[in-house]
Amino acid sequence: NAGVTQTPKFQVLKTGQSMTLQCAQDMNHEYMSWYRQDPGMGLRLIHYSVGAGITDQGEVPNGYNVSRSTTEDFPLRLLSAAPSQTSVYFCASSSPGQGNQPQHFGDGTRLSIL
Amino acid sequence: QKEVEQDPGPLSVPEGAIVSLNCTYSNSAFQYFMWYRQYSRKGPELLMYTYSSGNKEDGRFTAQVDKSSKYISLFIRDSQPSDSATYLCAMRNTNAGKSTFGDGTTLTVKP
Repeated sequence: NAGVTQTPKFQVLKTGQSMTLQCAQDMNHEYMSWYRQDPGMGLRLIHYSVGAGITDQGEVPNGYNVSRSTTEDFPLRLLSAAPSQTSVYFCASSSPGQGNQPQHFGDGTRLSIL
Repeated sequence: QKEVEQDPGPLSVPEGAIVSLNCTYSNSAFQYFMWYRQYSRKGPELLMYTYSSGNKEDGRFTAQVDKSSKYISLFIRDSQPSDSATYLCAMRNTNAGKSTFGDGTTLTVKP
């Protein structure tokens, strides 16, 4: 009963380093999304995908890159980490084909950029 | 101006109280309305999901949507200490990958 799995749970990076946050779901959901959550704030959409090979930008896409080669996986890449990207990152999935159900979330990756 | 505004809190109530959490929004295209509960250091967990205007009840929780006023509410009856968490409202149009969230209200229920 895995649902949405995010790895790693914690990461500390130095400014300028790159890294990939992993997200996998086992519910055969077509839609997957990445959000960031900063203290005292709600979630802001970074990028989303409506299916393999199709991605689009959200509200705060700058500094992040995504690709979707399979239905199950949706990695988020930080190209050159900056302190402003210190945040908690959440991945979510949903399936409009199943009665337009809402998104299910992973438990997040806590990222600190020094 | 944000598309979704949520009553900021924090909110502290005694056990057994009725809690009202509220959000307003400006985008008329929103059709689906969600309430998520988020415990510390965990991901958002779906509580309630409604489509268009009306009320939906699930146990101690009631979600209310008034599209004419662009206003949604979540009511918690007989609140319990285990209800202590941050509550996030969220809404979207037909694109299931793009939800817009409020900033959250932190609720503490004291025994």
